[in-house]
Amino acid sequence: AQSVTQLGSHVSVSEGALVLLRCNYSSSVPPYLFWYVQYPNQGLQLLLKYTSAATLVKGINGFEAEFKKSETSFHLTKPSAHMSDAAEYFCAVSSSYFGNEKLTFGTGTRLTIIP
Amino acid sequence: DTEVTQTPKHLVMGMTNKKSLKCEQHMGHRAMYWYKQKAKKPPELMFVYSYEKLSINESVPSRFSPECPNSSLLNLHLHALQPEDSALYLCASSYNTGTPPYEQYFGPGTRLTVT
Repeated sequence: AQSVTQLGSHVSVSEGALVLLRCNYSSSVPPYLFWYVQYPNQGLQLLLKYTSAATLVKGINGFEAEFKKSETSFHLTKPSAHMSDAAEYFCAVSSSYFGNEKLTFGTGTRLTIIP
Repeated sequence: DTEVTQTPKHLVMGMTNKKSLKCEQHMGHRAMYWYKQKAKKPPELMFVYSYEKLSINESVPSRFSPECPNSSLLNLHLHALQPEDSALYLCASSYNTGTPPYEQYFGPGTRLTVT
């Protein structure tokens, strides 16, 4: 079964500093990978997705992620953190399941921005 | 219109009540999903509907009864719930034809409290 592991349940960075959120995947085949963001009391919003078309994926709000097969990683980065980036971030992997696509989420990383 | 709407936003119900959650989308998506999210946890898939037919049931207790009356509407009927069923219930929708992966669009959720 495909799965993702997020290292670090809490990450704190200063405003303007680099954001790095880690995600490693476990899959026997090239996976479809996603990063979602969840603001307090809201649903999930897609930041970006990896579809094997390019290893460096650019998403919304200045975020990007790089797929590294050798490290089985898909870490999320943003060069300069903004206060509005404070949220919960989930890495997810999609797998085919009886003709449907099933999303399996990592345990999440809460990002705190220090003024 | 890229919005998934859910009603109500909040719901408090007793263990003997019967209530329903509603989800609606007008993006032409033919796959719709129910997720359950406990506090500080990732969303967990409950049900998947594809072309208005139930295609995945993740061994959800029968006190949760999904229904997809048409391609735009998804309901979750609740009966005899337990306090541990208190959670945020998220609805999502996606395409399920063409080239995967199929991005899931999430609604804001219904926060359910069972007393």
